[in-house]
Amino acid sequence: AIQLTQSPSSLSASVGDRVTITCRASQDINSDLAWYQQKPGKAPEVVIYDASRLKNGVPSRFSGSGSGTDFTLTISSLQPEDFATYYCQQSKNYPLTFGGGTKVEI
Amino acid sequence: QVQLQESGPGLVKPSQTLSLTCGVSGASISNHGSYWTWIRQHPGKGLEWIGHIYNSGSTYYNPSLKSRVAISVDTSQNRFSLKLTSVTVADTAVYYCATESMAVTGLMDVWGQGTTVTVSS
Repeated sequence: AIQLTQSPSSLSASVGDRVTITCRASQDINSDLAWYQQKPGKAPEVVIYDASRLKNGVPSRFSGSGSGTDFTLTISSLQPEDFATYYCQQSKNYPLTFGGGTKVEI
Repeated sequence: QVQLQESGPGLVKPSQTLSLTCGVSGASISNHGSYWTWIRQHPGKGLEWIGHIYNSGSTYYNPSLKSRVAISVDTSQNRFSLKLTSVTVADTAVYYCATESMAVTGLMDVWGQGTTVTVSS
């Protein structure tokens, strides 16, 4: 199975900060990567898919980049509702796999 | 719009079989061309993809669970189910059902709210 390594595992930030989360795949996955946001007690929700495509309705402060093995999720100006845990997920091969998560805290 | 709702026992004894159902509304499971999926999340941990089923009945399971997992579809009830046999405390988790996008392979764009299953005697 393809392994995804996220970093950092957690970070502290303030409203208005620029935040960057990285995800590294154990093999080339082209652009078959999504980012999910999960808030406590809730199911994950898609933020970015195909590495850089913003899901409809997601604020434009979210962006994704990368291809191959190295990917980045960036929040350009952190808002209070963005404090959550973020997961990357590859869809290159089954079984689908997720990164370990990055918790964004105040 | 598709909506999903998990149901099933919240407590299962070790060595028994965990059985969960995911009710589907807003679409007919028999002709909705996407994969119906189960994912779990151990307490305070990350996400683990368990497996999926297509409306034709074809399945794919995570090799790490393959020997104990079965996913099935009940088109008459518009729902799909998960069975996990010989459970241990390590199977304690929140279990989510989800559906993969018809437009983007492997993207789980609709999720249920999740149901907590505790394995304990």
